[in-house]
Amino acid sequence: DTGVSQDPRHKITKRGQNVTFRCDPISEHNRLYWYRQTLGQGPEFLTYFQNEAQLEKSRLLSDRFSAERPKGSFSTLEIQRTEQGDSAMYLCASSLGNRDTQYFGPGTRLTVL
Amino acid sequence: QKEVEQNSGPLSVPEGAIASLNCTYSDRGSQSFFWYRQYSGKSPELIMFIYSNGDKEDGRFTAQLNKASQYVSLLIRDSQPSDSATYLCAVKGSQGGSEKLVFGKGTKLTVNP
Repeated sequence: DTGVSQDPRHKITKRGQNVTFRCDPISEHNRLYWYRQTLGQGPEFLTYFQNEAQLEKSRLLSDRFSAERPKGSFSTLEIQRTEQGDSAMYLCASSLGNRDTQYFGPGTRLTVL
Repeated sequence: QKEVEQNSGPLSVPEGAIASLNCTYSDRGSQSFFWYRQYSGKSPELIMFIYSNGDKEDGRFTAQLNKASQYVSLLIRDSQPSDSATYLCAVKGSQGGSEKLVFGKGTKLTVNP
């Protein structure tokens, strides 16, 4: 399977802990996106990379959130000092070049207790 | 006014009928429009994209775009129980070269056997 992969698929943590998620995009896709989705809502954009450069960040991405894509391949999203409001599905998507179509990975479901 | 609006449903149709899903958007400069299908607990799956006014057909699916009315729709012909899912409308905005997709809340479709 050469689709977008995400790890872990589920994460349960206690409030105040740090968590890190990984996303591997479709091979050769140079654009990578992170979204967050809560129950009953559509995905909300968090941030976007073109190769290793982080080109766009949402205001939703507070100081506790940081994302990296150091070699222009996989990306990590870290949440520090988690809060119960961070509980959501974190989705990664990738796209190729200047094509608009974004393909989503399976997501990481975060539960903060 | 929300950027992308969809009727939340639920929309219920009998097997074999045509399901019609609607979406309006506020950014008049938007150029790219997408429909994703999302099964419960799963990530969004791309169904269709459309860039030009008019209709675009792919199998049982037809996307319709009217930029003057800022309206995009998805028709599903010969609906099957396996089409039961939430359908997300997404729009790529035009502001400042943003690459993010803005999603509606989704419309839940149930196809009854």
